[in-house]
Amino acid sequence: AQTVTQSQPEMSVQEAETVTLSCTYDTSENNYYLFWYKQPPSRQMILVIRQEAYKQQNATENRFSVNFQKAAKSFSLKISDSQLGDTAMYFCASRGTGFQKLVFGTGTRLLVSP
Amino acid sequence: KAGVTQTPRYLIKTRGQQVTLSCSPISGHRSVSWYQQTPGQGLQFLFEYFSETQRNKGNFPGRFSGRQFSNSRSEMNVSTLELGDSALYLCASSSLAGGAEDTQYFGPGTRLTVL
Repeated sequence: AQTVTQSQPEMSVQEAETVTLSCTYDTSENNYYLFWYKQPPSRQMILVIRQEAYKQQNATENRFSVNFQKAAKSFSLKISDSQLGDTAMYFCASRGTGFQKLVFGTGTRLLVSP
Repeated sequence: KAGVTQTPRYLIKTRGQQVTLSCSPISGHRSVSWYQQTPGQGLQFLFEYFSETQRNKGNFPGRFSGRQFSNSRSEMNVSTLELGDSALYLCASSSLAGGAEDTQYFGPGTRLTVL
């Protein structure tokens, strides 16, 4: 069984600063994928970034990057140059290959203030 | 490409009624998954369909059912509604071609309120 843990219920950061959201996971799968999703107040869940477990290089997408520590089963998200539009709920998720369900953490509410 | 669409966006029902929610996946995607999101339980997996067959199922009672059509569109049905079924129901699609194509993309959700 897969589990995903996000230990920070809420975080706040000022515009232009950098913030890191934590996520740890546990899985018995040999190959799996890790994701960060963003859910703004409008409720549309948006993919922020994905990481394939067999790739050692950390994924990056513009201002978003991850620190993937496979041995420690840690998958943190770093947001650089935070913007007001980054205010949202952020969910870390894990999924095995094939017909494996996407398992979500409980989410971190991020507030970016001017 | 158009994203995942869900209809209706909002629904109000009373206890004991049944409801059907619809989801149209991204063009070319053959897998559709459903999730229930509530403040108390977070995001919970309901089921996944691929090529009109249920491939995986979460821990929900039999009142929750679904199906997928040949065009990959999917419907979810909840019978004998209970107050606790009030939630945001999210649909996600993926192509399941392997690798990056396993990424799930979500629709805007259907907000169901049971009175």
